[in-house]
Amino acid sequence: NAGVTQTPKFRVLKTGQSMTLLCAQDMNHEYMYWYRQDPGMGLRLIHYSVGEGTTAKGEVPDGYNVSRLKKQNFLLGLESAAPSQTSVYFCASSPTEDKQYFGPGTRLTVL
Amino acid sequence: SQQGEEDPQALSIQEGENATMNCSYKTSINNLQWYRQNSGRGLVHLILIRSNEREKHSGRLRVTLDTSKKSSSLLITASRAADTASYFCATEGGSARQLTFGSGTQLTVLP
Repeated sequence: NAGVTQTPKFRVLKTGQSMTLLCAQDMNHEYMYWYRQDPGMGLRLIHYSVGEGTTAKGEVPDGYNVSRLKKQNFLLGLESAAPSQTSVYFCASSPTEDKQYFGPGTRLTVL
Repeated sequence: SQQGEEDPQALSIQEGENATMNCSYKTSINNLQWYRQNSGRGLVHLILIRSNEREKHSGRLRVTLDTSKKSSSLLITASRAADTASYFCATEGGSARQLTFGSGTQLTVLP
């Protein structure tokens, strides 16, 4: 199993551009999450999903949208990127147990 | 806002010594988890302790939980250079297995 994969690994955007980050998991997990991690800080939850076709807001949802059209994929979109969205983005998934499995991260820079 | 606060922010020890990290949180929880993050990588789950447990062991890891003080500690015994990483506590207290992360402890184990 590949576990949780994220695409792309790195991206540089200009202010106002849009992009989509893709998260895929092959473990048949129900729950999926998007976090951001800023320097010297822990992870903050952006959005999450409790199953195919569902999404919900986390702690810092503004400026982001998500979709979960297929159980194995969770997409994070930035409609109009801002420098404040420069961060490392992590996707995670979870089965019925409590622990989460994390992807390797996407490093995004917004100029 | 982050639920957990970790102490110390950074810790440097010699190989073979024990490392202790502490985590404090603010609200009631279902469980508390510890994760490790190697530089430039995603988070890896280490251990979970439920709110009705006081102590748990896994290999060289020992976790304690004091719900009356809203605090937890992670002890790594006989540390190795490979233990060098950031360690995060995360609390789960709501629905959908949402985790709230602390700001982390950077552990450096010197050979």
